Amino acid sequence: GENVEQHPSTLSVQEGDSAVIKCTYSDSASNYFPWYKQELGKRPQLIIDIRSNVGEKKDQRIAVTLNKTAKHFSLHITETQPEDSAVYFCAASTPNQAGTALIFGKGTTLSVSS
Amino acid sequence: NAGVTQTPKFQVLKTGQSMTLQCAQDMNHNSMYWYRQDPGMGLRLIYYSASEGTTDKGEVPNGYNVSRLNKREFSLRLESAAPSQTSVYFCASSEANGRGGYTFGSGTRLTVV
Repeated sequence: GENVEQHPSTLSVQEGDSAVIKCTYSDSASNYFPWYKQELGKRPQLIIDIRSNVGEKKDQRIAVTLNKTAKHFSLHITETQPEDSAVYFCAASTPNQAGTALIFGKGTTLSVSS
Repeated sequence: NAGVTQTPKFQVLKTGQSMTLQCAQDMNHNSMYWYRQDPGMGLRLIYYSASEGTTDKGEVPNGYNVSRLNKREFSLRLESAAPSQTSVYFCASSEANGRGGYTFGSGTRLTVV
């Protein structure tokens, strides 16, 4: 089955710096790659996603890039702010005859200090 | 419009007890999922239901059973709880094939003593 590796596990940056989180996946059939943000004690929330027919997607300060050949995708956050501090999860969706389900990475704890 | 509702929010069980975690969504989504979240382990898929009437095992199904009662409801049952099942459990739903992303419930914090 699908396996998703996420790095780094923790990331500390200064306010205004950029942050990059990287993920790799194992199943070449995976075709959907979302990123979720989870604040302490809350539920994960979708922040951006990308499908396999697109190489890059941007939404204000957040961007995601996908390299299908290398089977890796990355989250880029520019001009970080203290409210970006949270745990970020990448995921990959593998279709099979039963449907699809997301397999998540283990998460990256991002700390933005002012 | 409540989204995904999970009950209960907190539960303490003794080893060997059974319980059912309830999940209901009002977004007319076809697919529903159960995940567990443990520190440093991310979200691990227990079971999912791609559509009403179907269920399938995820990454960590042992010790759990599920029922897709109807399109709205997807329950997770622990028949004989073990301390290793202490975790935060999240239910989620999505359109078919995950289109539009997942909507998560607020979670159930389960402690097995």
